[in-house]
Amino acid sequence: DTEVTQTPKHLVMGMTNKKSLKCEQHMGHRAMYWYKQKAKKPPELMFVYSYEKLSINESVPSRFSPECPNSSLLNLHLHALQPEDSALYLCASSQVTGGENTEAFFGQGTRLTVV
Amino acid sequence: AQTVTQSQPEMSVQEAETVTLSCTYDTSESNYYLFWYKQPPSRQMILVIRQEAYKQQNATENRFSVNFQKAAKSFSLKISDSQLGDTAMYFCAFMMRSNYQLIWGAGTKLIIKP
Repeated sequence: DTEVTQTPKHLVMGMTNKKSLKCEQHMGHRAMYWYKQKAKKPPELMFVYSYEKLSINESVPSRFSPECPNSSLLNLHLHALQPEDSALYLCASSQVTGGENTEAFFGQGTRLTVV
Repeated sequence: AQTVTQSQPEMSVQEAETVTLSCTYDTSESNYYLFWYKQPPSRQMILVIRQEAYKQQNATENRFSVNFQKAAKSFSLKISDSQLGDTAMYFCAFMMRSNYQLIWGAGTKLIIKP
C-alpha cells in the first residue's frame, strides 16, 4: 500500500462551522505533514508530526488545530475559518530512518471552500 | 537559506517530443535530496524522480531523467516521448536529509499538445 488517503475530497463550510480533515497512511511512515496550496502556487508547509509529536508549526493561526491520534492517522480540525483560508489542503507522509528523512508521498487533497 | 528557482512559468510541446524543464537551487549544505513532483489537474502531487546529492549518476525513471550538475546547482528534468498524460504542473523541490521541510520552486506548467 503506497497511498495516502484524504477525506473528504471537497468541503464547503461557513465561517462559524467546525469541521475536520482526515488523512491516513499505512506505509509505516513516521513523519506526517499538512500543507496548504493556493491555485498555481507551490504547497506551503503548515505542520509536521514526527513520531506522533508536533515538531513543526509554521506560525499557523489557531483556527487550524492538528492532531495525530496514532502513527497512521492525521487530522486537521477547522473552526472559525475565513474566506482566505479557501485552498487545497494536502497531507503527506515520509519515512524517517536513522534521523534522516526521505521523500514525501502526498494524498489527493481536500478542496476547502469557506463561505 | 535554501532557495529553488524554476525560470519557465509555462511550456508547451507536441506529443512525442522531448522537453526539458529547468531548475536551479542554492544551498551551502552537502547532504540533501532533489525532487521533481508532478501535479496534474486531478491535483494529487506525484513524485516523478529523486536525486541524492552524493550520487554522481543522474537518476532515471522510464521516460523521465535528470541532468544533475552539483557544482552548478542545476537539476533539470527531461521528459522523452512526451504523452498527453504528462500535462501538469511540475515542481522542483529541495530537502536536507536531516530536515522535514521541502523547499519548492514556483512550478512550471507543462502542456502536451496532440
